[in-house]
Amino acid sequence: AQTVTQSQPEMSVQEAETVTLSCTYDTSESNYYLFWYKQPPSRQMILVIRQEAYKQQNATENRFSVNFQKAAKSFSLKISDSQLGDTAMYFCAFMFYSGNTPLVFGKGTRLSVIA
Amino acid sequence: GAGVSQTPSNKVTEKGKYVELRCDPISGHTALYWYRQSLGQGPEFLIYFQGTGAADDSGLPNDRFFAVRPEGSVSTLKIQRTERGDSAVYLCASSINSVLVSAGELFFGEGSRLTVL
Repeated sequence: AQTVTQSQPEMSVQEAETVTLSCTYDTSESNYYLFWYKQPPSRQMILVIRQEAYKQQNATENRFSVNFQKAAKSFSLKISDSQLGDTAMYFCAFMFYSGNTPLVFGKGTRLSVIA
Repeated sequence: GAGVSQTPSNKVTEKGKYVELRCDPISGHTALYWYRQSLGQGPEFLIYFQGTGAADDSGLPNDRFFAVRPEGSVSTLKIQRTERGDSAVYLCASSINSVLVSAGELFFGEGSRLTVL
């Protein structure tokens, strides 16, 4: 079974600074997706960024980027120029590439952006 | 609708009662997922529908939990003889059928918070 581990239950960062959230996962498969989802107090999960495992280039979405290390099974999220609206729970998630299989989530990291 | 809609937003019930939670996915999304999120935890998979049929129900914790999607759109999660341990936020998500098209992205509702007293 696939597992996703987020070792940082809580983190904080000053507004406009950069923060990195860690994630490791375990799978024997070679083709899969990795995701970071954001969950604000409204409870609605929102996709932040996605990485296909076969792509060597790290995904980037505006202020959000990932450091994907396939051999190490590591997938960290870097948030640059942190904004107050980035305050939320962040979940790392895994999905097999083939077929509609469930997302497997980590336990999350609570990020607080401080003014 | 424009997004995934879940009702009720909040439900308080007594131990032993029956509860139904409803999910209305994005129009045209054939895949529908139910997750349960306990306080301070990540979402845990319950069941996945492809059209009207349950393609994977391996996450249902026991036979008190059941879900249906009779017309391939709206889904109802049913919990019988509720227990205090069932208290959680129940999240619903939908996606386009093919992973190759959706690239794995799920669209989530805001969840139904269930409290069992």
